[in-house]
Amino acid sequence: TQLLEQSPQFLSIQEGENLTVYCNSSSVFSSLQWYRQEPGEGPVLLVTVVTGGEVKKLKRLTFQFGDARKDSSLHITAAQPGDTGLYLCAGAPSGGSNYKLTFGKGTLLTVNP
Amino acid sequence: DAGVTQSPTHLIKTRGQQVTLRCSPISGHKSVSWYQQVLGQGPQFIFQYYEKEERGRGNFPDRFSARQFPNYSSELNVNALLLGDSALYLCASSSLPGQRRETQYFGPGTRLLVL
Repeated sequence: TQLLEQSPQFLSIQEGENLTVYCNSSSVFSSLQWYRQEPGEGPVLLVTVVTGGEVKKLKRLTFQFGDARKDSSLHITAAQPGDTGLYLCAGAPSGGSNYKLTFGKGTLLTVNP
Repeated sequence: DAGVTQSPTHLIKTRGQQVTLRCSPISGHKSVSWYQQVLGQGPQFIFQYYEKEERGRGNFPDRFSARQFPNYSSELNVNALLLGDSALYLCASSSLPGQRRETQYFGPGTRLLVL
């Protein structure tokens, strides 16, 4: 069974601060996706990374896939209250069955004005 | 363009009852997946259907079943409901099935409460 561990589990920061969320596993993933989920809603895709070492930027969000494709990070610069939400990472297993996403438990981010 | 739609949005059932949840994928998507998200946890994979065939199944009991229709919409059925089945049930449709950049787009979910 492939497991994804996210840290920290909870994060409360002030507007304008920077933060990094981590997603780690002992397993290799074919690809890794980051989602943000608002209360009572489904997860919304932020990014998909597939290549070891890949870095993607989405405005103030920077995503990195580890060289060995076992871990990933999400860095937010100058956080804003609108960034508040549950951030989930999800990995697709290598060797096929890439539709069977394994999700981490998520990082609940609160950005205070 | 409409995203993934799910119905109903909320549902309350009692133990032992049966429930059917419905999902319509994004237009043009032929693959539908179902996930269960218990409060405080990430979503857990239940099923994926592609072109009306079951493509994969997660670690869920046989009380959980699903099917996909010719228009690619899908139903998830859960029999003999248990209290522990209370969760947000998410449906996702995907593009590029079988490829590394396969991306799943989620619907808003159906919140099921079993009393």
